[in-house]
Amino acid sequence: AQRVTQPEKLLSVFKGAPVELKCNYSYSGSPELFWYVQYSRQRLQLLLRHISRESIKGFTADLNKGETSFHLKKPFAQEEDSAMYYCARGGNFNKFYFGSGTKLNVKP
Amino acid sequence: DAGVTQSPTHLIKTRGQQVTLRCSPKSGHDTVSWYQQALGQGPQFIFQYYEEEERQRGNFPDRFSGHQFPNYSSELNVNALLLGDSALYLCASSLGTGGEADTQYFGPGTRLTVL
Repeated sequence: AQRVTQPEKLLSVFKGAPVELKCNYSYSGSPELFWYVQYSRQRLQLLLRHISRESIKGFTADLNKGETSFHLKKPFAQEEDSAMYYCARGGNFNKFYFGSGTKLNVKP
Repeated sequence: DAGVTQSPTHLIKTRGQQVTLRCSPKSGHDTVSWYQQALGQGPQFIFQYYEEEERQRGNFPDRFSGHQFPNYSSELNVNALLLGDSALYLCASSLGTGGEADTQYFGPGTRLTVL
């Protein structure tokens, strides 16, 4: 069963434009949701988690239980934001389910 | 702290062979999870080790097995390799307690190619 869906494989925006990376999940309870990022030639790293309600590098993500979504947003994209972004849902004891990822390309 | 380390970086095997991948967790972490990431896909959970025992397992056959040592390092073993086992294998470490400690720290991965 598909647990985390990222519908866009590639998203291209111009520098300074708003960006939204979509993530939908399937879970009947209260999910723990995360966004992970992988910059070129770097390892996968945590960007933010919904429980922290914090903004990292200008990115925010709001959990919408009604729409089962956890979209990642940034009002003004920067070139250094270009990377691979993965949405993930936590399960029991850190059993994570990852989406297939969205490649964000920010053009100058 | 070097963070999570994995060895080897790359590995080439032939069908039917067996392979062992190694992982050292971030200092202070006691839980190790293994993931398989096929090309163009997100990481898929294989299993997790805590206190030297397999605590959680994903949808992978018994050909995939693991071990955790008293120093919390871990090995992933794959027997009877298939072409479809070619992937990047990621190790992630965390604290086994929950809450903010659940953040997973990933290693750089081991690229396995099966010919």
